[in-house]
Amino acid sequence: DQQVKQNSPSLSVQEGRISILNCDYTNSMFDYFLWYKKYPAEGPTFLISISSIKDKNEDGRFTVFLNKSAKHLSLHIVPSQPGDSAVYFCAASPVIGDGLTFGKGTHLIIQP
Amino acid sequence: NAGVMQNPRHLVRRRGQEARLRCSPMKGHSHVYWYRQLPEEGLKFMVYLQKENIIDESGMPKERFSAEFPKEGPSILRIQQVVRGDSAAYFCASSPGTEIYEQYFGPGTRLTVT
Repeated sequence: DQQVKQNSPSLSVQEGRISILNCDYTNSMFDYFLWYKKYPAEGPTFLISISSIKDKNEDGRFTVFLNKSAKHLSLHIVPSQPGDSAVYFCAASPVIGDGLTFGKGTHLIIQP
Repeated sequence: NAGVMQNPRHLVRRRGQEARLRCSPMKGHSHVYWYRQLPEEGLKFMVYLQKENIIDESGMPKERFSAEFPKEGPSILRIQQVVRGDSAAYFCASSPGTEIYEQYFGPGTRLTVT
């Protein structure tokens, strides 16, 4: 039973436009959410996080939105750049310090 | 400030051999996590350790797998009598601990069982 779902295996976006990656979760105990970016043959790189007391967190080109009632979060990247082409993973945990539960990832492709 | 270090980066073992994967956390980080990624899958949590203590091993297979984080030296993930299904990428992450929930990942060890 997947507790964190990323329903789009891939997403293609034109350079300069907005990329929106979505993530749904089923476990209402999750309170901490993170987005990671991963290139082939490398480890995941932490991008941005949000706790359930907030509904938005922004860091440069990256913004994460959390809708607790819908159990949904999204990552917005604007403007999208060629170096953003990677697999993006959504992750969650119920408690600070717990192991993370990951989605299967979305492969973002930025078209020139 | 060096990041999380893992070695070896690639490891080939024959069925029945033992695999030892090492992880040195970021400086100042006392919490270590191990994850496994199978092809076309997300990362799956295996175990969470602090120095000399296993905090949560709920994701570890019950047999053949063990982990430790000694007082001195790196954390070790040990897989005994490897089988083909153990072929995967194994990632280590570290975190400074209390009040910080972000985890920072190493480059991974790619284990191939022949």
